[in-house]
Amino acid sequence: NAGVMQNPRHLVRRRGQEARLRCSPMKGHSHVYWYRQLPEEGLKFMVYLQKENIIDESGMPKERFSAEFPKEGPSILRIQQVVRGDSAAYFCASSPPSTGVNTEAFFGQGTRLTVV
Amino acid sequence: SQKIEQNSEALNIQEGKTATLTCNYTNYSPAYLQWYRQDPGRGPVFLLLIRENEKEKRKERLKVTFDTTLKQSLFHITASQPADSATYLCALDIGSNDYKLSFGAGTTVTVRA
Repeated sequence: NAGVMQNPRHLVRRRGQEARLRCSPMKGHSHVYWYRQLPEEGLKFMVYLQKENIIDESGMPKERFSAEFPKEGPSILRIQQVVRGDSAAYFCASSPPSTGVNTEAFFGQGTRLTVV
Repeated sequence: SQKIEQNSEALNIQEGKTATLTCNYTNYSPAYLQWYRQDPGRGPVFLLLIRENEKEKRKERLKVTFDTTLKQSLFHITASQPADSATYLCALDIGSNDYKLSFGAGTTVTVRA
């Protein structure tokens, strides 16, 4: 059973370009979460999605950032018109359909975005 | 404001000794707390979860305590090994939802052979 797969592992974009980060959850998992990790800081929650639904996007910047989890295919985190401050590691996590509270999350290896 | 603070200094210990990491939080009332391990360039890996009504939890050489009065969790690695060298993160659930976690910045542990 493959783990959470993220690609690309490393992404370099020039200021003003678009960045697309992909996440395929573990088999059988229908819940996806995106987190951002800045150097020397803890992971910050961005968004929680289920298939075709955004459940909670309270951690997403209001502009330039969007996320989707279509019926088919991976979840996508999209950053438009990237700026240097967007440089960070972006982690995706997944969990199975709710089997009770406090379900552990399984994280992918992350995508390291560098904006030059 | 809400804060999660872990040992600010990296921890360097001799193989075989016990490493003790702290996680202090303010302005949170978590129902549970989790500990993760993160290796350089990798994603966090879940280690342990402890609920607010549990004082202590163990898993092999790991032990976690949770004191909701002190607003603190301690994470112990006993009989440490060089393979335990990594960054350890504590995470709390935020609010009434069980899916949203807030992480500390982590403590880096180095175990010398």
